[in-house]
Amino acid sequence: DQQVKQNSPSLSVQEGRISILNCDYTNSMFDYFLWYKKYPAEGPTFLISISSIKDKNEDGRFTVFLNKSAKHLSLHIVPSQPGDSAVYFCASNTGKLIFGQGTTLQVKP
Amino acid sequence: AAGVIQSPRHLIKEKRETATLKCYPIPRHDTVYWYQQGPGQDPQFLISFYEKMQSDKGSIPDRFSAQQFSDYHSELNMSSLELGDSALYFCASSHKGGAREQYFGPGTRLTVT
Repeated sequence: DQQVKQNSPSLSVQEGRISILNCDYTNSMFDYFLWYKKYPAEGPTFLISISSIKDKNEDGRFTVFLNKSAKHLSLHIVPSQPGDSAVYFCASNTGKLIFGQGTTLQVKP
Repeated sequence: AAGVIQSPRHLIKEKRETATLKCYPIPRHDTVYWYQQGPGQDPQFLISFYEKMQSDKGSIPDRFSAQQFSDYHSELNMSSLELGDSALYFCASSHKGGAREQYFGPGTRLTVT
């Protein structure tokens, strides 16, 4: 039973454009979400987080939006760079992290 | 800045052998988490420790055990290894009472043959 879902396995964007990665969750009690970036053979790297008391959090090129009524969050990367190519996981923190399946982002030069 | 350290980075074992994975959290972090990531899968929570006490338990097989020591490092002990135990094992750490981010180590790749 996947409580955090990333329904797009992959996304390809052109360098300089916006990347939008989506994530849905099923449990309305979830109140803290994180995005991680992962390269092959490395551990997940924390990118940005958001609490359910907010609907937006921004850090440089990364912005996370949270829509609680839709149980949906998204990560926007603007502008996208080739170095952003990686697998992106969203996760809910309930004390432990519950991950989505991941989305592989490819940014083409 | 210091990160989470895991050792070994790679481990090859045969079926029915035992393995011990070690994790050294970020300094001043008091909580350690273990996750398992199978091929093509998302990381799955195994177990966590806060101040040397088990704080939560996930889908960890009975063949596995773990503990956190007085210096806050943690060890994951895996016995009677099976082929299906082949995976990446990640350790993460955080500071309870601080932000709710967990910071991951580079992982240990366990291959069971």
